Amino acid sequence: DAGVIQSPRHEVTEMGQEVTLRCKPISGHDYLFWYRQTMMRGLELLIYFNNNVPIDDSGMPEDRFSAKMPNASFSTLKIQPSEPRDSAVYFCASSFNSYNEQFFGPGTRLTVL
Amino acid sequence: DAKTTQPTSMDCAEGRAANLPCNHSTISGNEYVYWYRQIHSQGPQYIIHGLKNNETNEMASLIITEDRKSSTLILPHATLRDTAVYYCIVHSPHAGGTSYGKLTFGQGTILTVHP
Repeated sequence: DAGVIQSPRHEVTEMGQEVTLRCKPISGHDYLFWYRQTMMRGLELLIYFNNNVPIDDSGMPEDRFSAKMPNASFSTLKIQPSEPRDSAVYFCASSFNSYNEQFFGPGTRLTVL
Repeated sequence: DAKTTQPTSMDCAEGRAANLPCNHSTISGNEYVYWYRQIHSQGPQYIIHGLKNNETNEMASLIITEDRKSSTLILPHATLRDTAVYYCIVHSPHAGGTSYGKLTFGQGTILTVHP
């Protein structure tokens, strides 16, 4: 398996624009996680899914953020409208179950100007 | 969920053992201790986890005290490629626990391995 795949790897956009980050989890993994990492706040869990259903979105910062998982092999994290404070590295991770380790993707580095 | 306390940074000579401590005095009975590391510009990588017994795998050993209030990650022969931020996390894989499903990353320990 190729591991967790994220796209794009880098995104530069202007304030107010819509940004969509994409993630393909490892095949057979039932859990998918979205994290955000900044120097100030470290690595934070935004939301996670189990069998395509959102379980906990308490980490989503505000209504500008939304995440979907239409099927077991694809998830998106959308920011609309984007703001400069959203600049961060966004990681997607997946795991077989809640007990097993999480496998992280390479991340998407987002810069909002 | 339980919080962890780790030293901000540590140094280690290449080829020597690196011993990274972690305090988790408020850990609950159903919470496991997980260790991840993050090499610069990469996503975090799982290392090892345990409940109460010591654990060993190809990467490291995990020593958990009998009262489970602290643990030590041991890299037996550190190499330059082990330079990374190491995160100690307590996590419950069982539904109903407050940390269920969640990995809460603290600031971790910056381990620098010197030649």
